[in-house]
Amino acid sequence: GNSVTQMEGPVTLSEEAFLTINCTYTATGYPSLFWYVQYPGEGLQLLLKATKADDKGSNKGFEATYRKETTSFHLEKGSVQVSDSAVYFCALTTNTGTASKLTFGTGTRLQVTL
Amino acid sequence: GAVVSQHPSRVICKSGTSVKIECRSLDFQATTMFWYRQFPKQSLMLMATSNEGSKATYEQGVEKDKFLINHASLTLSTLTVTSAHPEDSSFYICSARAPGGGPETQYFGPGTRLLVL
Repeated sequence: GNSVTQMEGPVTLSEEAFLTINCTYTATGYPSLFWYVQYPGEGLQLLLKATKADDKGSNKGFEATYRKETTSFHLEKGSVQVSDSAVYFCALTTNTGTASKLTFGTGTRLQVTL
Repeated sequence: GAVVSQHPSRVICKSGTSVKIECRSLDFQATTMFWYRQFPKQSLMLMATSNEGSKATYEQGVEKDKFLINHASLTLSTLTVTSAHPEDSSFYICSARAPGGGPETQYFGPGTRLLVL
């Protein structure tokens, strides 16, 4: 079956530090990969995605590259801000369109301090 | 972006009672809604998929008679936890998907925390 493994948090960084949140996956077929972010009191929001090997998803300064050889999709940001404090979820789906179901990791809490 | 609301945001109930959680898509019509459950330090687990006007499809291991799902309109789905017990205490999250769309058009509610005493 499909599964997603994320590094355990919380991750605590100072503002402007470099961020990496690791994500590896196990999937049948060729999954699409996603990162979601959940700010306090809000629902999960799609942050970025990649649909095939070597694709790089990017948004709001965050990046993640679909690495098929290492089955990884690590999230990175060069300089974090306090406003990036949230819970980040890695996810995948092996279907497309209306039949697709998401498989999530456990989430990693990021706390950025001044 | 699209907004999905859940009500209530948290609820405490006595063992043996039933609790209803509402999920609404506020600015779009959702033919498909999903219900997830999340335990502390664990991932979101899909419980069921509901399509407007038809019966929900439950994931393996989820009790249909325990977790009643009704998707009565294109903007509302409800999850009723019947005869709740302390082991049902969890964080329940719904999401709504726009017609014809994949995961990119799936929007999540903020979640409902259920505590059964």
